Amino acid sequence: DTGVSQDPRHKITKRGQNVTFRCDPISEHNRLYWYRQTLGQGPEFLTYFQNEAQLEKSRLLSDRFSAERPKGSFSTLEIQRTEQGDSAMYLCASSLGAGASYEQYFGPGTRLTVT
Amino acid sequence: ELKVEQNPLFLSMQEGKNYTIYCNYSTTSDRLYWYRQDPGKSLESLFVLLSNGAVKQEGRLMASLDTKARLSTLHITAAVHDLSATYFCAVVPNTGNQFYFGTGTSLTVIP
Repeated sequence: DTGVSQDPRHKITKRGQNVTFRCDPISEHNRLYWYRQTLGQGPEFLTYFQNEAQLEKSRLLSDRFSAERPKGSFSTLEIQRTEQGDSAMYLCASSLGAGASYEQYFGPGTRLTVT
Repeated sequence: ELKVEQNPLFLSMQEGKNYTIYCNYSTTSDRLYWYRQDPGKSLESLFVLLSNGAVKQEGRLMASLDTKARLSTLHITAAVHDLSATYFCAVVPNTGNQFYFGTGTSLTVIP
């Protein structure tokens, strides 16, 4: 396994459209995190899964955002009715759960531009 | 509100010099992580610090954690140009699993 992968790497969309991003974690990792990062800022937590259960969700996450991890493997992040303020890098990370250091391994990110 | 503050935010240093980046946080935590990010790239894990007094070293970088002071440091020894990047610390509160990142320190090493 070569690490966390994300698809697509870049997405340009028009305001009001829906977009979906995919993340494939490292295969034995049961925890998966989504972050958003804007220019000059640190990653901002969006949500986190342990296996297929979504255990935490940021209060900053509006109801236009939804994430799934249906079989505890890959995850999708959907943004409905995109707004220009959604333009950012969306990062996915995975880690082992209990009994480990919880060290996160990040994917390359999906850069979203909303025009 | 949990805060993770790094300073300095921007650091320009000459090759061969030493410097320290500071990460202060406002919650009880025994887990602190340091990451490196190159422009346009994702984050690379540098250090995982899991207890008070933990010290880790890799090459010219050394990280330490003082949980009582809620402070971590990243010390750079004899800087080289390849260390130019943005460095982030991240804290996980003892009461949760969410990672809280600092605003980053942008380091430029000048020949």
